[in-house]
Amino acid sequence: DIQMTQSPSSLSASVGDRVTITCRASQDISNFLAWYQQKPGKIPELLIYAASTLQSGVPSRFSGSGSGTDFTLTISSLQPEDVATYYCQNFKSAPFTFGPGTKVGIK
Amino acid sequence: EVQLVESGGGLVHPGESLTLSCAASGFTFSRYAMSWVRRAPGKGLEWVSGISYSGRAYYADSVRGRFTISRDNSKNRLFLHMSSLRADDTAVYYCAKDRIDNDWFHFDSWGQGTLVTVSS
Repeated sequence: DIQMTQSPSSLSASVGDRVTITCRASQDISNFLAWYQQKPGKIPELLIYAASTLQSGVPSRFSGSGSGTDFTLTISSLQPEDVATYYCQNFKSAPFTFGPGTKVGIK
Repeated sequence: EVQLVESGGGLVHPGESLTLSCAASGFTFSRYAMSWVRRAPGKGLEWVSGISYSGRAYYADSVRGRFTISRDNSKNRLFLHMSSLRADDTAVYYCAKDRIDNDWFHFDSWGQGTLVTVSS
């Protein structure tokens, strides 16, 4: 099975800061990687799929990159409404595992 | 508009069974793979099980042999039959729809979730 790891597990940054979250797969998953945002008390939302394609309606300050085993999610200018936990997910092969999540807060 | 409405959650004792249901609308249900994803209290998201548009089932190691996913395309419904439930199955269970109709198991629509509590 493919294992997904994320770092950091949590971070706190100032409004306007550039934030980067890293996701690593235990084996090559090409670009079969999705990123989700789950705000407190809300359902998850798809941000990015195929490692770097922005889902319709998602603000352009979110971007994704990477291929193979190493991936990043970047928020170019952190906003108060971005307070959430972010998850990566492998969809190359079953089981379609999520990473453990990165909790993003505001300083 | 896509709508996914879960039902069937509740309080059960360890070892008991429960069946969750997800009513889907707003899209051609039979063409899309569907999944169940859960979030235990204080934990992250965990993909539990998925089913292709043609009915092929996939499971997480943690539930394989205890949970069974199924679908009724004539009624636009997804099911998760859970047996031999354990305390660590306690979670909010979400029904999730694939983004596109090619069995790629990443999800652009989610239900509001149904809470399953396993406790003696």
